[in-house]
Amino acid sequence: EPEVTQTPSHQVTQMGQEVILRCVPISNHLYFYWYRQILGQKVEFLVSFYNNEISEKSEIFDDQFSVERPDGSNFTLKIRSTKLEDSAMYFCASRNEWSTNYGYTFGSGTRLTVV
Amino acid sequence: AQSVTQLDSHVSVSEGTPVLLRCNYSSSYSPSLFWYVQHPNKGLQLLLKYTSAATLVKGINGFEAEFKKSETSFHLTKPSAHMSDAAEYFCVPSGGSNYKLTFGKGTLLTVNP
Repeated sequence: EPEVTQTPSHQVTQMGQEVILRCVPISNHLYFYWYRQILGQKVEFLVSFYNNEISEKSEIFDDQFSVERPDGSNFTLKIRSTKLEDSAMYFCASRNEWSTNYGYTFGSGTRLTVV
Repeated sequence: AQSVTQLDSHVSVSEGTPVLLRCNYSSSYSPSLFWYVQHPNKGLQLLLKYTSAATLVKGINGFEAEFKKSETSFHLTKPSAHMSDAAEYFCVPSGGSNYKLTFGKGTLLTVNP
């Protein structure tokens, strides 16, 4: 069964450093998302991406965050200058139709630890 | 706007007994609803989805859910719990212009031997 692949599974970074979280969505999917889950808290929507541009972003997704689809397969989330509060599990997801008939497929997540 | 309420933050059952995880929705129109499961330190897995095609929806691992418009409910059930079912379960509506998912706090299911 097709999977969404995220790398790395765990990343530790120093405060103020830039990090790039990588995702390979399912190949025929067109809509891509990032969510995050701070330990012990709810899963939160960050951003949706379609047709090479952001279609919606949450208040969390400030100027420190950016997303990119640099080629036909990867979808990345960049945090320019990490803060302690960015420590969380980050999930990438994709879907294949602009429809509510299909659930998302989530990756297994990247645990980001900012020290 | 769509929202859901998972009535129990924690449900504990014995292995082999039925599971009932409750979810009520609030929507001004017929929603799309999903149940996701998250095992410890794992990602989010789709269990099943309701998209108005059928009110009784069967999912993976023996789970099913019934959409009841009169009760605005979409409860998740399983006839017989297995130890591997221990996880956090999320009832999630999809909506808005980008069909983003809005997660609540979930229900933690523990299964006792």
